[in-house]
Order: sequence, then C-alpha cells, then structure tokens
Amino acid sequence: EPEVTQTPSHQVTQMGQEVILRCVPISNHLYFYWYRQILGQKVEFLVSFYNNEISEKSEIFDDQFSVERPDGSNFTLKIRSTKLEDSAMYFCASNLVAGYGYTFGSGTRLTVV
Amino acid sequence: QQQVKQSPQSLIVQKGGISIINCAYENTAFDYFPWYQQFPGKGPALLIAIRPDVSEKKEGRFTISFNKSAKQFSLHIMDSQPGDSATYFCAASKSYNTDKLIFGTGTRLQVFP
Repeated sequence: EPEVTQTPSHQVTQMGQEVILRCVPISNHLYFYWYRQILGQKVEFLVSFYNNEISEKSEIFDDQFSVERPDGSNFTLKIRSTKLEDSAMYFCASNLVAGYGYTFGSGTRLTVV
Repeated sequence: QQQVKQSPQSLIVQKGGISIINCAYENTAFDYFPWYQQFPGKGPALLIAIRPDVSEKKEGRFTISFNKSAKQFSLHIMDSQPGDSATYFCAASKSYNTDKLIFGTGTRLQVFP
C-alpha cells in the first residue's frame, strides 16, 4: 500500500535554530498538508498546499513557518527560528482528491531544547 | 464553533465487548466526518467516514452513527479485539470549500483479553 514517508523520525534542535522536516507524499497525490500534535493533545492543522502554493494556513502557521515542494517528490516544512513550544510531532499528509480523508505519514518528533 | 468535542478521554473494554466513542460539533457547515485510528509512534490512519446525508455507515466491525439534528456522531466498535487498542480521533471538515480537518481530543481505547 502506498505510504507517506517522513524523515527524520526524530529531530532534536536548539532553540533559535532552523529545522527542515521532509516528506515524500504518495506519488500521484495532488494535495499536501502539515499537521502537528503536541504530546498528549489533539492533532492540529498547520497548512495545506496545492498547485505549488499554500491554499490555507492556520493561526499557528506564522512567519516562522514555510513550506516548499522543491521537486516533484518532496514536500518540506521549514521552521526558521525554533521555540520551545514548537516541540511536537509533525505529520505530513497527502490526498488525491480534496474533500476526503487523506493519508498521514508516521511523523517527525521535533524536540526543541 | 470550530471545535469538535470528543468523549470519553479513555475507555477500557473487554475483548468481545462494544466500544463506543462520541463526538459533538457546533458548526452546521461541517459536512464530512471521518474517524482516525492512531497507534503509538504512527500517524493517524483513516478508519471510516460519513457525510450528513446518511445516519449510519458500517464497515466490518466499525459503525458510525450520525445524528444531524443533535450535531453528534459516534463510533461503535463491535466485538472489540486487543488489536483495536489505539487512540481514536473524530474529525470534521467543511469539505465543499476546504479540506482542513478539525480533530477531536482523542480517546485512548484499551481492550483487555
């Protein structure tokens, strides 16, 4: 079964450093997302991306965050200057058709120290 | 208005029993209601989903019941098995103009043999 692949599975970074979280969505999918889950809390929407541009973003997704699809296969989330409160599990997801349930990756656990 | 309230927070069921998880929403514009299953260290996986034009949907041992007038929906797991032990999230979206999912807070289900 096709999978959404995320790397690394765990990243530890110092406060103020930049991090890039990487995702390889399912190959024929057109819609891409990032969500995050702070430990023990619910999954929260960050951003959706379609046709090489952001289609929607949440209040969490401020100027410190950016997304990019640098080539035909990768989808990245960059946090420019990490804060302690950015520590969370970050999930990438992709979808072939908008408006239906999508496929999540296994996540990257980001720990900011 | 954007919230989805989920209960209970945790649930313990004996093998063979019925697990019931409930969700409620306020925003009548929501028109897509998926349930996700999450195992430790993994991303959420789509389990089953419903739209408000039907009151029930069944897939194997999993059934969604939907009450549009009460703005509530629930997941029933029949003949619960130890392998069903996971965290379950309900979600909702306004799929006609966005596919951002609003997640509930999650229910940790433990099924004992």
